[in-house]
Amino acid sequence: SQTIHQWPATLVQPVGSPLSLECTVEGTSNPNLYWYRQAAGRGLQLLFYSVGIGQISSEVPQNLSASRPQDRQFILSSKKLLLSDSGFYLCAQGQETQYFGPGTRLLVL
Amino acid sequence: GENVEQHPSTLSVQEGDSAVIKCTYSDSASNYFPWYKQELGKRPQLIIDIRSNVGEKKDQRIAVTLNKTAKHFSLHITETQPEDSAVYFCAASIIGRDDKIIFGKGTRLHILP
Repeated sequence: SQTIHQWPATLVQPVGSPLSLECTVEGTSNPNLYWYRQAAGRGLQLLFYSVGIGQISSEVPQNLSASRPQDRQFILSSKKLLLSDSGFYLCAQGQETQYFGPGTRLLVL
Repeated sequence: GENVEQHPSTLSVQEGDSAVIKCTYSDSASNYFPWYKQELGKRPQLIIDIRSNVGEKKDQRIAVTLNKTAKHFSLHITETQPEDSAVYFCAASIIGRDDKIIFGKGTRLHILP
């Protein structure tokens, strides 16, 4: 069965600092990978998705970027965090049904 | 592109009663409709899904119905229990064409004692 790891679980960062969130997947090959952000009490906003190594599709313009250096690794980055980047970041994998990782809770102060 | 509307945004039901959450979609090509449950502070988890070649699917106390003509689908929870309190998301996708799932905005379900 597939397992999704995300780290860190929680992160507090100052405005203007860089960000790197990592997602790794086990138990499957060539998965579709997704990054979502969920603001407090809100829905799921798709940020990026990838159907293969080096292939990234961006859904919303923002100061975030994503990379997929390996088949089962998906990284979300920012050079300078904004207050509005606070939220719950979820990595998901799947080609039909999507399964979510445990998430990273980011607070930008 | 696909758009998924979900209602209501908040729903309170007495323990033991039934709860119904409704969603509509815009793209008639959509053929896969999953439902997720998200408990407070946790990840969304798939609870049931239905494909467009089926009109209804049931798993114990939860069931999903699909009306392709009207382009709407619903989640039914019977004999609600306190542990059913959560946010529920419907979603729609086109298997074989798109790589994305389009989510509704969610319904916060409160089970009252």
